[in-house]
Amino acid sequence: AQTVTQSQPEMSVQEAETVTLSCTYDTSESNYYLFWYKQPPSRQMILVIRQEAYKQQNATENRFSVNFQKAAKSFSLKISDSQLGDTAMYFCAFRSVNGGATNKLIFGTGTLLAVQP
Amino acid sequence: DVKVTQSSRYLVKRTGEKVFLECVQDMDHENMFWYRQDPGLGLRLIYFSYDVKMKEKGDIPEGYSVSREKKERFSLILESASTNQTSMYLCASRVGDGYTFGSGTRLTVV
Repeated sequence: AQTVTQSQPEMSVQEAETVTLSCTYDTSESNYYLFWYKQPPSRQMILVIRQEAYKQQNATENRFSVNFQKAAKSFSLKISDSQLGDTAMYFCAFRSVNGGATNKLIFGTGTLLAVQP
Repeated sequence: DVKVTQSSRYLVKRTGEKVFLECVQDMDHENMFWYRQDPGLGLRLIYFSYDVKMKEKGDIPEGYSVSREKKERFSLILESASTNQTSMYLCASRVGDGYTFGSGTRLTVV
């Protein structure tokens, strides 16, 4: 069974600085998708970034980028130039490319990020 | 944009009550999901549905059932609410790799 581990329950960063959130996962599959979701106090889950395992290039979305290390099964999120609006719970998630019962998002336990002014 | 609407943002129910949590999506998605979110445990899948009247158990289905009579609506049912079901419940729908989540229902069972 696949698992996703986020080892940092809480993190804090100063406004305008850079922070990296860690995520590791376990799977025996060779192709899959990885995601970072943001959940602000409004509770709305927002997709931050997505990575397809067969793509070597790390995904980037504006100030958000990932460091995808497939062999190490590591998928960290880097937030550059942190803003107060980045304060949120961040979840790492895994999805198999296989259909059927495995076609679901598996989430980590989350990292609560606080951006300090 | 796809919208997923959960009928209640906050709900307080008594132990033993039958509780219905409703979720409606407006984009004809086939796949819909119910997750439970607890501090330190992340989101855990309760049930999902891949078509009308089709459902599969997720990782923690005990104490829950679901209903999907129409494509746009996916209901989570607590047959006899218990205090250990106090939690945040999130509904989601999916097409391709695009998941859309509702804003959650925070359920308190007293």
